[in-house]
Amino acid sequence: DAGVIQSPRHEVTEMGQEVTLRCKPISGHNSLFWYRQTMMRGLELLIYFNNNVPIDDSGMPEDRFSAKMPNASFSTLKIQPSEPRDSAVYFCASSRVDGALPPQHFGDGTRLSIL
Amino acid sequence: AQTVTQSQPEMSVQEAETVTLSCTYDTSESDYYLFWYKQPPSRQMILVIRQEAYKQQNATENRFSVNFQKAAKSFSLKISDSQLGDAAMYFCAYRRRFGNEKLTFGTGTRLTIIP
Repeated sequence: DAGVIQSPRHEVTEMGQEVTLRCKPISGHNSLFWYRQTMMRGLELLIYFNNNVPIDDSGMPEDRFSAKMPNASFSTLKIQPSEPRDSAVYFCASSRVDGALPPQHFGDGTRLSIL
Repeated sequence: AQTVTQSQPEMSVQEAETVTLSCTYDTSESDYYLFWYKQPPSRQMILVIRQEAYKQQNATENRFSVNFQKAAKSFSLKISDSQLGDAAMYFCAYRRRFGNEKLTFGTGTRLTIIP
């Protein structure tokens, strides 16, 4: 089975540019999470969706960040305009809530560098 | 709000020996899940072991076991017969059983295996 697929794996761009990170969750999973990992703040949740609906976006830093999940098999995290402090590894994870303990399966992450 | 604390930024162990990584957490919930994730240099997030708070029995997965002390809010990970492939960052994580599914992570412990 394919795991969570994120693209791109690495992104380097200049400050002010728009950045779009993509995620394909595991087929059949109905919850999707975006996490950010930095040295200063560790791993923190940005937003999560359940059945394509945003449930908790309290971790989204500011209006420059937006996330969408137009269907069950695709999500995007967009930063516009990007700033150097957005440099981090961004992880997407998915899980299936079916009564049993659902572990979150993580993608390989996107390393984002804003120059 | 829930918090997870890992007080050991770095640990090292001789190959084939046993090491214990510490984790404490704070929550007002009575029903929750606890996890240990491993992050090798490839930056994948790999689930190592999980524990349901309502289960008194400590979880075990091959060489990995936990010591779950609910009253003390402690959740340590024991790695037996350490192997070179165990070298990684280890993150302790908390999740409520009902409601918000987000994971709250500790700051991690970097484990080095000495050949």
